[in-house]
Amino acid sequence: AQTVTQSQPEMSVQEAETVTLSCTYDTSESDYYLFWYKQPPSRQMILVIRQEAYKQQNATENRFSVNFQKAAKSFSLKISDSQLGDAAMYFCAYRSPHSGNTPLVFGKGTRLSVIA
Amino acid sequence: ETGVTQSPTHLIKTRGQQVTLRCSSQSGHNTVSWYQQALGQGPQFIFQYYREEENGRGNFPPRFSGLQFPNYSSELNVNALELDDSALYLCASGTGNTEAFFGQGTRLTVV
Repeated sequence: AQTVTQSQPEMSVQEAETVTLSCTYDTSESDYYLFWYKQPPSRQMILVIRQEAYKQQNATENRFSVNFQKAAKSFSLKISDSQLGDAAMYFCAYRSPHSGNTPLVFGKGTRLSVIA
Repeated sequence: ETGVTQSPTHLIKTRGQQVTLRCSSQSGHNTVSWYQQALGQGPQFIFQYYREEENGRGNFPPRFSGLQFPNYSSELNVNALELDDSALYLCASGTGNTEAFFGQGTRLTVV
């Protein structure tokens, strides 16, 4: 079974600075999807960024980018120019590519605080 | 906005009771999954429905059951509630193995 590990329970960053959240995963599959979700106090999970394992290029969405190291099974999220609204729980998630819509496997999350 | 809505937002039940949580997905989303998120933890997969049939289940007992309806709504039913069932219950819908769209969750407290 796949597992996802987020080793940083809490992180903090100054407004306008850059922060990197870590995620590692364990799988025997060669193709899969990886995601970062943001969960603010409103509780709704919001997709931040997605990476397909077969793509070598790291995904980027505005201020959010990932460092995907397939051999190391590492998938870190970099947030540039941090804003107060970035404060939330961040979850790394894994999904197998098999047909039939496989479930997401989540890490335990990293709580990000943004300091004004 | 993800187009996925859940009701109710909060619920308090007594141990031993039964509860039904509801989810309304976006039109066209043929898959709905339910997750349990305990305080301070990541979401745990309960089960998944694809075109109204259960097609995947996590490590949860049979007293957790569900339904998916043709109108893109679904239910999570929990019988014989236990104190440990207190958690945030998240519904997620989608059309494939790309991203899932989540509702805002139902906070269930069992006393």
